[in-house]
Amino acid sequence: GAVVSQHPSWVICKSGTSVKIECRSLDFQATTMFWYRQFPKQSLMLMATSNEGSKATYEQGVEKDKFLINHASLTLSTLTVTSAHPEDSSFYICSAPRLQGVSTDTQYFGPGTRLTVL
Amino acid sequence: GEDVEQSLFLSVREGDSSVINCTYTDSSSTYLYWYKQEPGAGLQLLTYIFSNMDMKQDQRLTVLLNKKDKHLSLRIADTQTGDSAIYFCAESRIEDSSYKLIFGSGTRLLVRP
Repeated sequence: GAVVSQHPSWVICKSGTSVKIECRSLDFQATTMFWYRQFPKQSLMLMATSNEGSKATYEQGVEKDKFLINHASLTLSTLTVTSAHPEDSSFYICSAPRLQGVSTDTQYFGPGTRLTVL
Repeated sequence: GEDVEQSLFLSVREGDSSVINCTYTDSSSTYLYWYKQEPGAGLQLLTYIFSNMDMKQDQRLTVLLNKKDKHLSLRIADTQTGDSAIYFCAESRIEDSSYKLIFGSGTRLLVRP
């Protein structure tokens, strides 16, 4: 079946540093990937849509300069949390649709990356 | 998840059936999904239903869709302790030519031995 991986699984960093999270589709290509954020005991909040070959589309209220997204290839999207602060601590999850048709895709989710900013 | 609502918690005894309910708001949603999340893990797609269907059964899972009331339910037959997790319903939407999934708040299912 389709697999989406994330790296790293967890990261602890000091306040002010930048952290890069990778999302890879392992056995299929994805021109679109999605980045979500999940706070403890809460639902997933869509942060942005990563588009291969073009700029990411950010949801309202998400800072573009804070959360940099680069869709480097058809199997890789990266999320960089710049100048991280403790309030950025969260569980970040990516997903990729298996087929590229609209509304008929099955979203496959990565295992998530837990970011803790000290 | 404010547009998709779920009850927060459900506790059942092992072997009983579990029913998790969800209400959504966008009547144009084409697909509705159920995902399972175990502690510290990502989301696992359990099943989905196309909006022109009323019911879908997949082994122990039964999805019921009432499109008129915008109500979706997931029934797990013969619930096992391994079914303990958070269950999210999600609706697909097209906004600004983009395909998105909107998630509910999640229902925490606890299966008692």
